[in-house]
Amino acid sequence: KAGVTQTPRYLIKTRGQQVTLSCSPISGHRSVSWYQQTPGQGLQFLFEYFSETQRNKGNFPGRFSGRQFSNSRSEMNVSTLELGDSALYLCASSLIGTHQETQYFGPGTRLLVL
Amino acid sequence: GQNIDQPTEMTATEGAIVQINCTYQTSGFNGLFWYQQHAGEAPTFLSYNVLDGLEEKGRFSSFLSRSKGYSYLHLKELQMKDSASYLCAVTDSNYQLIWGAGTKLIIKP
Repeated sequence: KAGVTQTPRYLIKTRGQQVTLSCSPISGHRSVSWYQQTPGQGLQFLFEYFSETQRNKGNFPGRFSGRQFSNSRSEMNVSTLELGDSALYLCASSLIGTHQETQYFGPGTRLLVL
Repeated sequence: GQNIDQPTEMTATEGAIVQINCTYQTSGFNGLFWYQQHAGEAPTFLSYNVLDGLEEKGRFSSFLSRSKGYSYLHLKELQMKDSASYLCAVTDSNYQLIWGAGTKLIIKP
């Protein structure tokens, strides 16, 4: 079974631009979560999608948004990029997203904002 | 606020034993996960504890005390490939995962 894939793997943008990141979950997984990872901060939860609906949301500004498609693939968008948005963005999938389920992570997209 | 504390970095010797501690203060508790993350790679699942006690999986074991808000990950017979960051995460009362910043484990020959 193929793992979670994320594209692109690396991205360089400038302040003010917007960016879209993509995540394809493991086949059959319907829950997709997005995280921001920065050194010393750990993983910060952005949002979780299940069956094309945002089910949970973390404490990030409205510049961060996402969506999920009928095939469970998910995209995350960040508008008006700031220097502080430089981070590794990870997505993780699980079957239905219950709290006991193991999450399977993709390799991440490393975003650098200049 | 919600908080998970782990040591930032630990060093151990190949073949030895190491224990990585995790303490948490969260609004409610619905389980605790340990993940391993090698540099430049995705986190991978190691263990899940929801009841007090020890869960053993080969060279790795994880312990939980809910009354103390405390867990540890115990690694024995350390190998160089165990050099990685170890992430502790707690599911709170809203079933959201709260993550610690991770402990970077350095294994020396």
